[in-house]
Amino acid sequence: QVTLRESGPALMKPTQTLTLTCSFSGFSLTTSGLCVSWIRQPPGKALEWLARIDWDDGKYYSTSLKTRLTISKDTSKNQVVLTMTNMDPLDTATYYCARVISGSDYEIFDYWGQGTLVTVSS
Amino acid sequence: DIQMTQSPSSLSASVGDRVTISCRASQTINNYLNWYQQKPGSAPKLLIYAASSLQSGVPSRFSGSGSGTDFTLTISSLQPEDFATYYCQQTYSNFATFGQGTKVDVK
Repeated sequence: QVTLRESGPALMKPTQTLTLTCSFSGFSLTTSGLCVSWIRQPPGKALEWLARIDWDDGKYYSTSLKTRLTISKDTSKNQVVLTMTNMDPLDTATYYCARVISGSDYEIFDYWGQGTLVTVSS
Repeated sequence: DIQMTQSPSSLSASVGDRVTISCRASQTINNYLNWYQQKPGSAPKLLIYAASSLQSGVPSRFSGSGSGTDFTLTISSLQPEDFATYYCQQTYSNFATFGQGTKVDVK
């Protein structure tokens, strides 16, 4: 059974650095074709993809946020960590992690965590 | 980045209606197009992948079509549990992008 769970601070102040952890079970990030992505959703708004880390340690970042994001994995702990620097109130959102399967002619986000709401306020 | 544009942004429908949602990519994405359903307070759920493949466990009233830049999600007979927001997503590039969403509510 595949599960993912996000954890991190619920409240932050502007300029702080956000660290989010995605703890997962039911799969291994050493398996070829498996990846984990981070996605966020501001209240009442659309989904925004942030970053992805692959089984082979490939890393990809949103063009608009790449200077602020770092993604890493700890395969022994089954965890993926996302850091975002210089947080702003506009970064207030629910942050999700999702398992990604990269197939020969598709790529899908098939399992998602329940999300964690991060509020940025002074 | 590849931009995804959905239409309409919202629609009102009744149980039993046939519902169609469109999604257009700013450049060709072949069939790297997925559809998700999201209900308030919940994470998105994968419905359709590779433009037209039904994810396991998803009712057959959901279907997808299209290729290249233009795609469609169809719900053949809307059920009460289908009132939700639907998102398309391209995964053609290594930088996935989502559409802005289409909210389906009760007429």
